[in-house]
Amino acid sequence: QVQLVESGGGVVQPGKSLRLSCEASGFIFNNFGMHWVRQTPGRGLEWLAVIWHDGSTQFYADSVTDRFIISRDNSKNLLFLEMNNLRGDDTAVYYCARDPGRYFFDHWGQGTLVTVSS
Amino acid sequence: EVVLTQSPATLSLSPGESATLSCRASQNINFNLAWYQQKPGQAPRLLIYDAVNRATGIPATFSGTRSGTNFTLAISGLEPEDFALYYCQHRGSWPPKYTFGRGTNLEIK
Repeated sequence: QVQLVESGGGVVQPGKSLRLSCEASGFIFNNFGMHWVRQTPGRGLEWLAVIWHDGSTQFYADSVTDRFIISRDNSKNLLFLEMNNLRGDDTAVYYCARDPGRYFFDHWGQGTLVTVSS
Repeated sequence: EVVLTQSPATLSLSPGESATLSCRASQNINFNLAWYQQKPGQAPRLLIYDAVNRATGIPATFSGTRSGTNFTLAISGLEPEDFALYYCQHRGSWPPKYTFGRGTNLEIK
């Protein structure tokens, strides 16, 4: 069955960087685009970034386009989110999600919590 | 950018009753709308796509409809496990920007 497992969350100081990972299994990883989505109690669900199945193209939400980088390693079935210059409002649960080639997300990981605090 | 407005923010019902959740798009998005369910401590789960199609494994008690820019998620015969948060979602055409509604909290009355 499809499984997505995020890791790399934790407590980080403002201005610092953090890299999240998402390990995929149960499907042919390099056939699917992948996303990062985050959730906070105040802002709800917020889409962050998408990467094409082959890693050739990425798109970002305006709120993170200058600070976050999405990437993938298809040889290891891994998706990454590099987050730079972190701010307090980046505190959230971060999910990776699979793109079935449409406009929605058909499988999600369980999420990893990132807390930005001094 | 398409804005999705969900209502009500909270819906209080009893098990066995039926629920009607609304999502209104700020412009025509055809049938390009998905619904998700999220239970406490869990990730969102895809329920409905293309406004009316149930995702794999979703029971027929869940149904989606569209009337113009108004979309509805209906849940018949509420079970205890149906009480959760529900979100609608859409993607703009190009460049792709994905948006979510603010959600409806379906709670036990």
